[in-house]
Amino acid sequence: QVQLVESGGGVVQPGRSLRLSCAASGFTFSSYAMYWVRQAPGKGLEWVAVISSNGVLSADGRNKQYADSVKGRFTISRDDSKNTLYLQMDSLRVEDTAAYYCAKDPTGQLPPEYLQHWGHGTLVIVSS
Amino acid sequence: QSVLTQPPSVSAAAGQTVTISCSGGTSNIGMNYVSWYQQLPRTAPKLLIYDNDMRPSGMPDRFSGSKSGTSATLVITGLQTGDEADYYCGTWDRSLSAVVFGGGTKLTVL
Repeated sequence: QVQLVESGGGVVQPGRSLRLSCAASGFTFSSYAMYWVRQAPGKGLEWVAVISSNGVLSADGRNKQYADSVKGRFTISRDDSKNTLYLQMDSLRVEDTAAYYCAKDPTGQLPPEYLQHWGHGTLVIVSS
Repeated sequence: QSVLTQPPSVSAAAGQTVTISCSGGTSNIGMNYVSWYQQLPRTAPKLLIYDNDMRPSGMPDRFSGSKSGTSATLVITGLQTGDEADYYCGTWDRSLSAVVFGGGTKLTVL
């Protein structure tokens, strides 16, 4: 069955960087768009980024989309040879503190459809 | 402030029916399918409804969804204590080029 396992969370100082990973199994990883979604403590869900399956572009020529709150600071990427999704987080802020979830779309395209399967999340705490 | 608007909380007695609304606009719900997610306490979210009214395999038919115009509704019948959770609606917003969620609704089963 589909499994998504996030890792890489931890405590980091403001302004520093962190890279999250999401190891996927149970499906053909390369064929599907993948997401990062976060949830600050006691708050609701916030979409962070999405990446299409390799080689698939949206109508406007993009293969990645980002929330305004992370644009220019976070980078989503994937390594299909390792069945792994990444989130490189630079210039971290206190307000980036959250549980970060990776999720799988039912298609490979953008715009995405819905978050079909979710991982259990990894906690990032940005604090001095 | 979420792009999609949900009531912060709803409650009903066990065995009863509850509805959770999700209000959006023409660039999101008005143009795209809506999905719903259930987040049980201290767990990751789980897909509950997709494409407005479709249930994933294994999801009980006590959960149903619908969409009309720029609003969507989640209905849960035969409430059980195990349904106590936070519920989120979500969709794609074509103007924002972003996935948008509602602020979440906390369901309490009395």
